[in-house]
Parts: sequence; structure tokens; C-alpha cells
Amino acid sequence: ETGVTQTPRHLVMGMTNKKSLKCEQHLGHNAMYWYKQSAKKPLELMFVYSLEERVENNSVPSRFSPECPNSSHLFLHLHTLQPEDSALYLCASSQDRSSSYNEQFFGPGTRLTVL
Amino acid sequence: SQQGEEDPQALSIQEGENATMNCSYKTSINNLQWYRQNSGRGLVHLILIRSNEREKHSGRLRVTLDTSKKSSSLLITASRAADTASYFCATDADAGGTSYGKLTFGQGTILTVHP
Repeated sequence: ETGVTQTPRHLVMGMTNKKSLKCEQHLGHNAMYWYKQSAKKPLELMFVYSLEERVENNSVPSRFSPECPNSSHLFLHLHTLQPEDSALYLCASSQDRSSSYNEQFFGPGTRLTVL
Repeated sequence: SQQGEEDPQALSIQEGENATMNCSYKTSINNLQWYRQNSGRGLVHLILIRSNEREKHSGRLRVTLDTSKKSSSLLITASRAADTASYFCATDADAGGTSYGKLTFGQGTILTVHP
């Protein structure tokens, strides 16, 4: 539907686990984003990548580690998470980070539950 | 308070009625965007209005922007049950005519359209 896919769609993990979220965009975009959406809070930008280079790290704890091996793929590596990290994690892409028309296309999200 | 605050927080209407949602923001913007999110899913881009535009239409959607008041409104005409979703405004801060590539989202308006 949107050209941005995310896997897995649901993930349950313990606090000592290590897991990764994957995002792939098929739109030929140059910028990719990770957002966190928690209940009753606005969507929070976590990381921005432009042409595979991280250009924004929005004070995210080091237990979240992003990786962008190429302009189509974005990963979020998770380790030693806390229960308060449970949220919907959304990936998005846009044509060009600095364009005047920075419309973003979102994936369906990964619903993460940390036990 | 947050950049991009929507009002009301929740809106319940009957099918066929119009729905109006408002958004206020604090800083200078390059553009303002509206997104829709169905429960637990990714966001879908609806419409983008640039800072030098005052009104924009797309199908049953009408967006206005008043930069002097730092506010925007989204009007959905002849609403349908399928319009039931959360609606978010997002501001793209002004970086000298282009974008920082960083959208700031509000907390959203939950719209319920009853058949």
C-alpha cells in the first residue's frame, strides 16, 4: 500500500533479549526515519538517515541502535530494553530530507512488547 | 506545550456531517502536513500545505493555514464511517526555505464517524 514494509509486525521480548526491527522502502527515497509511538504521547522522532548517513539522533538511549546499510533498508537493533520501551515503532521514508515537500511515507509499524 | 497541537482531542459525528480539526504550532514552518492513522497502523499522508499557501483541497479534504495565527484546520466534508481514524498534523520547521527533514507531530484528534 505505501511502499514501506516493516517486519516483524508484532514482537514480544524479554529485557535481556536482543532483537532487530527491519524496514524496507521500495520508493527510491533517499531519507529514512524511525519513530516511536507510545500511548497518549505524540509521535517521537528517533533517528533520521539521509543517503545512509545518520543525520539525527534525537537523544535516544543506546539500547536502541540503528543501522542503514543502503538507502532502501533500515534496521533498529534492540538490546536490554525496558518495559517502558513497549510501543509501536514506525519507519518512514521521504524523497529527500531537505526538500521543501518533505512528505513522509510510513510503514505499518512493529508493535513491540517488552516483558 | 507541543508543536502541532490538535483540537479537539476527540470528535464524534454522524455519517454525512462535516468534521473540522484544528492544529496550532509555535515556530516558523516550511510546510504543514496532515496524516491519518487507522488503529494500530502506520500513518498515511493526506495533504501538505506550504507556508506561502492559505488553502488547499484534495477530494473531500480542505486544509487552511494561517501563519499569522500559527494555526491550521482540516475539514472533511460528507464524512463516512471509513473516515474513522486518528488525524495528526505535523510541522516541518523552516530551514531558510527548505526543510530540516524533521517533522514534529501533535497528539492527534480521534475522529469517530457513526453510520
